[in-house]
Parts: sequence; structure tokens; C-alpha cells
Amino acid sequence: EAQVTQNPRYLITVTGKKLTVTCSQNMNHEYMSWYRQDPGLGLRQIYYSMNVEVTDKGDVPEGYKVSRKEKRNFPLILESPSPNQTSLYFCASSPRQRRYTEAFFGQGTRLTVV
Amino acid sequence: KQEVTQIPAALSVPEGENLVLNCSFTDSAIYNLQWFRQDPGKGLTSLLLIQSSQREQTSGRLNASLDKSSGRSTLYIAASQPGDSATYLCAVANSGYALNFGKGTSLLVTP
Repeated sequence: EAQVTQNPRYLITVTGKKLTVTCSQNMNHEYMSWYRQDPGLGLRQIYYSMNVEVTDKGDVPEGYKVSRKEKRNFPLILESPSPNQTSLYFCASSPRQRRYTEAFFGQGTRLTVV
Repeated sequence: KQEVTQIPAALSVPEGENLVLNCSFTDSAIYNLQWFRQDPGKGLTSLLLIQSSQREQTSGRLNASLDKSSGRSTLYIAASQPGDSATYLCAVANSGYALNFGKGTSLLVTP
């Protein structure tokens, strides 16, 4: 089954404790990205990757890092989480020819930073 | 920057009604428009993708239309059911690398 898998689904952590949210897709997609969803603000892009070793900032990259060492994986790293990073996070993937294809989203990771 | 607006923000209808959800966007130079469904505690499920050259797409009881020149799309749900209760999001793809999402319409279909 074609899917984007995120882990963990739920996470409560304390301020300053580094964490990683994993994302993996099994569709051989070149393009992957991370979004956060906040009430009243909708979904906003954090980072994206056009292919292995190619990443770039989205609209709200502050406080986040990403890496793309393998095509299927695109982890989101919070090196020193803060309460304002409490949010619902989504990973997405799509083929390189984005203009003609749909985006596939993971199930989401609900992060709480206390 | 592309701005995407969805109206209404919330909608409650009795089961069996046909309904229309609206999405408008400010920049008509789009690649495509995608409608998603979001259930509480779950991810985004893609419902329909309309390419910029298309006028509409249909899947079962769902029909999405696109009027690029006026910057509007509608999602039509026929014969609504309680299982259709969810938040519906539209997202527009432009030449940038992000999908531009509306804030969604929260739909409740009552038995």
C-alpha cells in the first residue's frame, strides 16, 4: 500500500530536549516536505526537499532542521524545542512532476512541548 | 503570495442534503488544486485533484469544479451522510514549492 508513515503519532516533551520525528514514504517520490498545522493559521510549510541531499526552507523554518540522506526518509529535527512548537505536524510526498500529481500526506504527529 | 480562503468555516446539514463547499484563491497562475478531507486525530486524505487545464473532477458522490479565471473552486457533495462529517481543506499548487492551504470547512452531517 502506498503510504507516508510518520512516527511517533503523539509526543509530549520538555523544553530544550532534542527530538526527531521520522517520515518515510514507499512510493519512490522525489519531493518531500513538512508542514505544521495550528488553529487559525492553517497548514504552513516548514522545509522541503527536491531530492536526496537537496533541502530548502519553507515559510516557517525557524527552530527546525531536516536531512535527506535517503530518498524514502525525511526526518524533522527539533534541536531545542520550545512551547511555541507545540503543533500538529504533517509530512508529505509527491513525484517530481508536482504540477500534474497529487500530494500524499502522513497521519500526523501531535507534538506538545511543556 | 497566494491566499486561499474557504467559506463557510463551519457547516451543519441534515443527512441526505446536497451541499457545496467553496474555495477561492488570489493568484490564478496555478498548477493544480487539491481537495483533502481531515478527520480528527487522522491525517489528510486526498479526495480530488484538478489540473489547471481541467474544469471538474468527479469521484463517487463528490464533484469538484475549477474556474481558474475567477479564482474559485467548489466541492459538491451529493446526498450527504453522517460519515462525511470532517474538515475539508483545499490546497493550491503554484510555481513555488509549498501547497497553499485554506483554513478549511468543518462539516457536520446530522442523522
